[in-house]
Amino acid sequence: QSALTQPASVSASPGQSITISCTGTNNDVGVYNYVSWYQQHPGKAPKVMIYDVNNRPSGVSNRFSGSKSGSTASLTISGLQAEDEADYYCSSYTTSSTWVFGGGTKLTVL
Amino acid sequence: QLQLQESGPGLVKPSETLSLTCTVSGGSISSSGYYWGWIRQPPGKGLEWIGNINYSGNTYCNPSLKSRVTISVETSKNQFSLRLNSVTAADTAVYYCSRRQGASSFRDYWGQGTQVTVSS
Repeated sequence: QSALTQPASVSASPGQSITISCTGTNNDVGVYNYVSWYQQHPGKAPKVMIYDVNNRPSGVSNRFSGSKSGSTASLTISGLQAEDEADYYCSSYTTSSTWVFGGGTKLTVL
Repeated sequence: QLQLQESGPGLVKPSETLSLTCTVSGGSISSSGYYWGWIRQPPGKGLEWIGNINYSGNTYCNPSLKSRVTISVETSKNQFSLRLNSVTAADTAVYYCSRRQGASSFRDYWGQGTQVTVSS
């Protein structure tokens, strides 16, 4: 199974909004709404920010939102804050009953 | 509050077997509706799903690792385990255990991760 495709890096200034894309295929993102997004700070375990495309766990800021169109899922972070600087990974269920992650996107808050 | 904690050797020799255990506290591993899984992260690289198991022992594994991976659950100890045989330097990574809610992509709890280095 191939990893989902994410941009290697994105950057923006505090207060701005960014969107990270996650492109899969008709064997994963395109057929299931089981897409989640994880935030990972250096040396820390990943933390789920969005699950099932657009659901936000309790305690996660409403500045984080998710969406999907066809085989591409997206994570949007609005009102960027310094603490949002981290690596972000998408993940999807696949038609092989397995899970696949994206390669990760490094978010830099300028 | 549920907690997961990985444990096992931090150094494994090439061609040997990597064995890790995840101990679950604050909740029962036997509760239905959850999947317990392993995910790893090589140094400086992204996350890789290894596999998962549910309370009844049904397992699913990454096809690229399937021939070398065994995931098992020991309900009496509230633990689940990973065995990866014939390891090489490419298996050097931080290994995480996690819980996923069934019929969902919601991995809500993670261990802190444990570094495993494959070296002679």
